Amino acid sequence: AQTVTQSQPEMSVQEAETVTLSCTYDTSESNYYLFWYKQPPSRQMILVIRQEAYKQQNATENRFSVNFQKAAKSFSLKISDSQLGDTAMYFCAFILSGAGSYQLTFGKGTKLSVIP
Amino acid sequence: EAQVTQNPRYLITVTGKKLTVTCSQNMNHEYMSWYRQDPGLGLRQIYYSMNVEVTDKGDVPEGYKVSRKEKRNFPLILESPSPNQTSLYFCASRNGQGGLETQYFGPGTRLLVL
Repeated sequence: AQTVTQSQPEMSVQEAETVTLSCTYDTSESNYYLFWYKQPPSRQMILVIRQEAYKQQNATENRFSVNFQKAAKSFSLKISDSQLGDTAMYFCAFILSGAGSYQLTFGKGTKLSVIP
Repeated sequence: EAQVTQNPRYLITVTGKKLTVTCSQNMNHEYMSWYRQDPGLGLRQIYYSMNVEVTDKGDVPEGYKVSRKEKRNFPLILESPSPNQTSLYFCASRNGQGGLETQYFGPGTRLLVL
């Protein structure tokens, strides 16, 4: 079974600064996808970024980027120029690729507070 | 607008009183699932469905039932709710397997069982 670990229950960052959220995972498979989801106070789950394991290039979406280290099974999220609207819970998630893969496994989350 | 809807959004009930949380998607997605979210535990999958009449257990299925009689609907049934089922519940859907397709989440249902 796959596991996802987020070791930072809470973090804070000053507005306009950069923050990195950590995520590690455990799997014996080589083809999979990794995700970061954002959950603001509204509780809506919002996909922030997706990384395909077979791609060496790190995914980037505007101010959000990842550092994907496949050998180390590490998938951290970097938020640049932090904004007040980035205040949220952030969940790292994992799913295997291909046929028969249905289960999205989540970490326990990191609560990020952006301080004015 | 592509969306997943859940009803009710908030529910307070008492132990043992059967309840159903409805979930509907308008994207013709094959795959649907239910999660519960608890503080410090993240989201855990309760049940999932690969298509009509095809369902399977997730990580925490005890105390829950589901059905998939139509492609668009995937209700979650608590036949005898207990206080340990107090939680925030999410329904989700996507088209296909693996991670290539985006998974859409409903807005969540907050359940309190007294």
